[in-house]
Amino acid sequence: AQSVTQLDSQVPVFEEAPVELRCNYSSSVSVYLFWYVQYPNQGLQLLLKYLSGSTLVESINGFEAEFNKSQTSFHLRKPSVHISDTAEYFCAVSFYSSASKIIFGSGTRLSIRP
Amino acid sequence: DVKVTQSSRYLVKRTGEKVFLECVQDMDHENMFWYRQDPGLGLRLIYFSYDVKMKEKGDIPEGYSVSREKKERFSLILESASTNQTSMYLCASSLLPGQGGTEAFFGQGTRLTVV
Repeated sequence: AQSVTQLDSQVPVFEEAPVELRCNYSSSVSVYLFWYVQYPNQGLQLLLKYLSGSTLVESINGFEAEFNKSQTSFHLRKPSVHISDTAEYFCAVSFYSSASKIIFGSGTRLSIRP
Repeated sequence: DVKVTQSSRYLVKRTGEKVFLECVQDMDHENMFWYRQDPGLGLRLIYFSYDVKMKEKGDIPEGYSVSREKKERFSLILESASTNQTSMYLCASSLLPGQGGTEAFFGQGTRLTVV
């Protein structure tokens, strides 16, 4: 069965501290991987994605994620967070299939303390 | 920019009513999805459609049906609304694999309350 697991439902960190949000997936076929962000009272926006090629992908606001096939993981990291990063983050996968659905994890709420 | 538009941001309906949630996308995407979002449960897939008149059940289809008569429009139907269907409903669309990536583009969501 295909699934996505986000191990932490909430992650509190201090401003300017590093953060890692964990994501593991389960799939018997090749996958595309995504991180989405949802700011308070807003819809979901794509943060970054892995389709193929370099296993390290970056977003425009300093986040990065690394695809690790052997560990079936796609953890999201940022070396120094800002108050404005307060949001809920969702990991997602889709599959190499003509009828491709997208499966989401349960989300991680990142709260930044000043 | 891709735009996915959901017809209502907030909706209040009575138990037993038939409810229609409408979604329109303007980027000629083949795939369209309906999710519900509940605290602690993330996004759960209700139904998705990969072509006009084609649909597949997601993880929680019970109590819901869908309609895709035109490529740009995907409707979610609650046949007889119940209080446990009170939730945030999110519509999304995407390209097919092989078209440059399959990331989903989301609407703003419809917060449905069933009383």
